[in-house]
Amino acid sequence: SAVISQKPSRDICQRGTSLTIQCQVDSQVTMMFWYRQQPGQSLTLIATANQGSEATYESGFVIDKFPISRPNLTFSTLTVSNMSPEDSSIYLCSGSFMNTQYFGPGTRLTVL
Amino acid sequence: QKEVEQNSGPLSVPEGAIASLNCTYSDRGSQSFFWYRQYSGKSPELIMSIYSNGDKEDGRFTAQLNKASQYVSLLIRDSQPSDSATYLCAVNGGSQGNLIFGKGTKLSVKP
Repeated sequence: SAVISQKPSRDICQRGTSLTIQCQVDSQVTMMFWYRQQPGQSLTLIATANQGSEATYESGFVIDKFPISRPNLTFSTLTVSNMSPEDSSIYLCSGSFMNTQYFGPGTRLTVL
Repeated sequence: QKEVEQNSGPLSVPEGAIASLNCTYSDRGSQSFFWYRQYSGKSPELIMSIYSNGDKEDGRFTAQLNKASQYVSLLIRDSQPSDSATYLCAVNGGSQGNLIFGKGTKLSVKP
């Protein structure tokens, strides 16, 4: 299996600011994914992050709002830009290892 | 649009009973199927994966797949209060390996 860590675990931010979430995997993984989970809801895929290429965003999510970096096979960052209260959510990263997705513990974001 | 459907519950079963969780999916070409357990405030944890028709057993958990009916289920035998959680069904979504999740079924096991 793969062990995934995320930083920060939670944050409270003011509207209009940006937050960068870091995701570290203990194994090299080809694909990393960023999901959002709003209270009481299931997981919604934001984007797929491949090393050496631009992230692929799902419908409704754009690079200007959620820029992603993937500098190597064990690390990725997601930035939530120009935040509004509607961005309050849990953000989860995952890595695909041996055809299975493993999840980080999540980042709980509250935007005031 | 690929979809995964689950009954949101809550499903309530007494301790020691069998809990049966169901899931249907829309894409007939789906090949990989997963059940994740998510405790409140925690991230999803993989409990079962299944790739071929039939049953797959792991301890108290049995996953069942019927590709003709586009149906996946999870049985939990001898349910324990510690099994109380939301169970998410997930199906492979495409060539990049992303998953499509159902909304989850909340299971409550009563002592």
